[in-house]
Amino acid sequence: GQQVMQIPQYQHVQEGEDFTTYCNSSTTLSNIQWYKQRPGGHPVFLIQLVKSGEVKKQKRLTFQFGEAKKNSSLHITATQTTDVGTYFCGTAGNQFYFGTGTSLTVIP
Amino acid sequence: DTGVSQNPRHKITKRGQNVTFRCDPISEHNRLYWYRQTLGQGPEFLTYFQNEAQLEKSRLLSDRFSAERPKGSFSTLEIQRTEQGDSAMYLCASSGGSFYEQYFGPGTRLTVT
Repeated sequence: GQQVMQIPQYQHVQEGEDFTTYCNSSTTLSNIQWYKQRPGGHPVFLIQLVKSGEVKKQKRLTFQFGEAKKNSSLHITATQTTDVGTYFCGTAGNQFYFGTGTSLTVIP
Repeated sequence: DTGVSQNPRHKITKRGQNVTFRCDPISEHNRLYWYRQTLGQGPEFLTYFQNEAQLEKSRLLSDRFSAERPKGSFSTLEIQRTEQGDSAMYLCASSGGSFYEQYFGPGTRLTVT
């Protein structure tokens, strides 16, 4: 089955610092989706990328899909305490595969 | 509220008992997914319905697990002869149209004692 790995597993940042999580696959992905899950909550959809090299921005969040469509990244500029949570990438094929997630802690 | 709903929110059961969970997707969504999530892990795909047809099942879904979606509306997930390893959060999600964004429900937390 599809294997989607995420790094790092955990990240602690001071409020105002930037944060990046990476999603990697050994095979070409047809699409990548990103979700955020707050502690005690359920995953909430952030964005979907489908094109090679695609870059999308949502306010302080920048999402990128690699040229080879084997990796993706989520970058948050100037983190805030509201950014706390676990960020998952995922890809839809015959099934839906979530990455292992990156847990972000923001220290005020 | 027009989001995805799941019932019950919590279920405590003894090992060996059967349990059934229900998911009500967003009404116009034709796709429905079930996932299992344990602490510190990402959601693991269990099964997928398009309308009433169950199109995909994960190898994780042993013969003790069964899911249905009669009439392509709500779905049920049944676990027979529960084991302690079944303790997890069971999440349901739905999507519709040409965009595969998934909307998740709040989940059912199962504890097997």
